[in-house]
Amino acid sequence: GESVGLHLPTLSVQEGDNSIINCAYSNSASDYFIWYKQESGKGPQFIIDIRSNMDKRQGQRVTVLLNKTVKHLSLQIAATQPGDSAVYFCAETGTGTASKLTFGTGTRLQVTL
Amino acid sequence: DTAVSQTPKYLVTQMGNDKSIKCEQNLGHDTMYWYKQDSKKFLKIMFSYNNKELIINETVPNRFSPKSPDKAHLNLHINSLELGDSAVYFCASSQSPVSNEQFFGPGTRLTVL
Repeated sequence: GESVGLHLPTLSVQEGDNSIINCAYSNSASDYFIWYKQESGKGPQFIIDIRSNMDKRQGQRVTVLLNKTVKHLSLQIAATQPGDSAVYFCAETGTGTASKLTFGTGTRLQVTL
Repeated sequence: DTAVSQTPKYLVTQMGNDKSIKCEQNLGHDTMYWYKQDSKKFLKIMFSYNNKELIINETVPNRFSPKSPDKAHLNLHINSLELGDSAVYFCASSQSPVSNEQFFGPGTRLTVL
């Protein structure tokens, strides 16, 4: 079946450095790709999404890049802070009312001081 | 103010029992969801309701029965609990069925002994 997956299960980054979290997807028919952040003991929290007809979108300290040629999605976090420590999930979805979020396996980001 | 709340936060029970998890959102959203997150952090949708009507019903055993008395509430009842039902269950809501931003509750950790 189609799936969304991540290359690295754990990423360790020093405070102040930039982080790059990667995701590979297989469903080329997806309309949106989304990043969620899940802190320990909490539910996932929406970060940013990107439509399939775009290749870059920026938010506050975050940038999402979409490369449809190689079916690759990445989340860049600038000046990583301790509060960024969490598990990050990529997800994909369509646009119909019965569309669902299909989540990837998650990458744990550890920010070291 | 809690946006999406779930009760209970922890639930420990014996195999074969029946239990319910309650969810409420005060965001005025039309759409609510139930997700299951296993021990490997894999997050998968179970059900989605829009204005009290079921719109997504994944391949979930019929021991799981969602109920939406009104659009602010989506409860999950589980019959004849099995060991494999042990997981964290998240409720979420969104403005509409096509919204990529879903607001998740804090989760209910279910342990079946």
